[in-house]
Amino acid sequence: GQSLEQPSEVTAVEGAIVQINCTYQTSGFYGLSWYQQHDGGAPTFLSYNGLDGLEETGRFSSFLSRSDSYGYLLLQELQMKDSASYFCAVRVLYNQGGKLIFGQGTELSVKP
Amino acid sequence: DADVTQTPRNRITKTGKRIMLECSQTKGHDRMYWYRQDPGLGLQLIYYSFDVKDINKGEISDGYSVSRQAQAKFSLSLESAIPNQTALYFCATSDSMNTGELFFGEGSRLTVL
Repeated sequence: GQSLEQPSEVTAVEGAIVQINCTYQTSGFYGLSWYQQHDGGAPTFLSYNGLDGLEETGRFSSFLSRSDSYGYLLLQELQMKDSASYFCAVRVLYNQGGKLIFGQGTELSVKP
Repeated sequence: DADVTQTPRNRITKTGKRIMLECSQTKGHDRMYWYRQDPGLGLQLIYYSFDVKDINKGEISDGYSVSRQAQAKFSLSLESAIPNQTALYFCATSDSMNTGELFFGEGSRLTVL
């Protein structure tokens, strides 16, 4: 089976840097994605790591270590609009379903 | 217009009723998914389809069925709705999983009384 763990809540101040961790246990791991969701709206894609290392997209970066079954999302120069839920999601190999399994989400609150 | 459209956006129904949630997409993607989200929780995969003739069960398929009527349409049915199926339902699409990116609809909020 698959399981993902991430913190349920994180609080940070505007302008700061915050890291949201994700650990996973899965068979047929292929890659790790991150999604943002505001107030029950449609989740939106942020980044994907298929290989070990850091991927940077503007203020957001994502990291993956396959050997540690671990990844994180790094948000820099936090803004109030970054207050949202963030989900990590594991992509499973096609021959084992090819599906995307989501974690329970981390609610980020950005304070002034 | 949205690339991934879900109807209805909101629905209140009674226990035992049959409900269909519809999803259509204009992105030309082969892969379509139905997820369920309960308050404060993540997205749980109900069913997914990689093409018109391919249907796969997800983590929580019991009590649900799907139909892939065309590349652009993927419907989710609750044959006999029960209160614990009250949730927010999302449809999503992808062209491939090389980037791990899904495109989500705006969601269908279902309440079963």
